[in-house]
Amino acid sequence: QQQVKQSPQSLIVQKGGISIINCAYENTAFDYFPWYQQFPGKGPALLIAIRPDVSEKKEGRFTISFNKSAKQFSLHIMDSQPGDSATYFCAAPSSGSARQLTFGSGTQLTVLP
Amino acid sequence: DSGVTQTPKHLITATGQRVTLRCSPRSGDLSVYWYQQSLDQGLQFLIQYYNGEERAKGNILERFSAQQFPDLHSELNLSSLELGDSALYFCASSYSGGVNNEQFFGPGTRLTVL
Repeated sequence: QQQVKQSPQSLIVQKGGISIINCAYENTAFDYFPWYQQFPGKGPALLIAIRPDVSEKKEGRFTISFNKSAKQFSLHIMDSQPGDSATYFCAAPSSGSARQLTFGSGTQLTVLP
Repeated sequence: DSGVTQTPKHLITATGQRVTLRCSPRSGDLSVYWYQQSLDQGLQFLIQYYNGEERAKGNILERFSAQQFPDLHSELNLSSLELGDSALYFCASSYSGGVNNEQFFGPGTRLTVL
């Protein structure tokens, strides 16, 4: 069964700084790696996702870097803002036939003003 | 607003009881997922339905069951509740249910078992 290890568990960054969250997966039958963002009292929402044909994807201040050989992927938030304070979850497809997403344990990001 | 609705928002009940959580997917979405979120376990996938049929099962306890109705809404039934079942339960929906489909999450139901 797929396991996704996410680190750090919590992260405090100054406004304008770079936030980096890392994830490692074991196996996958399908290359699709999304990041979800969750604000307090809300459900998670898709932030950005990367597919197998690229090693990096950038959307505004958010970038996913993907290292297939190391089975690792990371989220970089450039110029972090207080409004980015939320919990971030990475996810990876399961290695079984069901191809469901297995989520990491989450990173609580706090961006100080 | 994701377009996914969940009721009730909060539920407080006692051990041994049974509850039903309800989810209405986004208009046009055929697949519904149920997740459990607790402080020490993160987001745990429970079960997925696609167009009325069970598609995948995760770490769902035998005391839990779900179904998706012809109008595509879904219900998660939790029985013989234990203190450890206290958690946030999220429903998500997607169009086709493929692993690379964006999942839209509802606001969740917070279950407290006393």
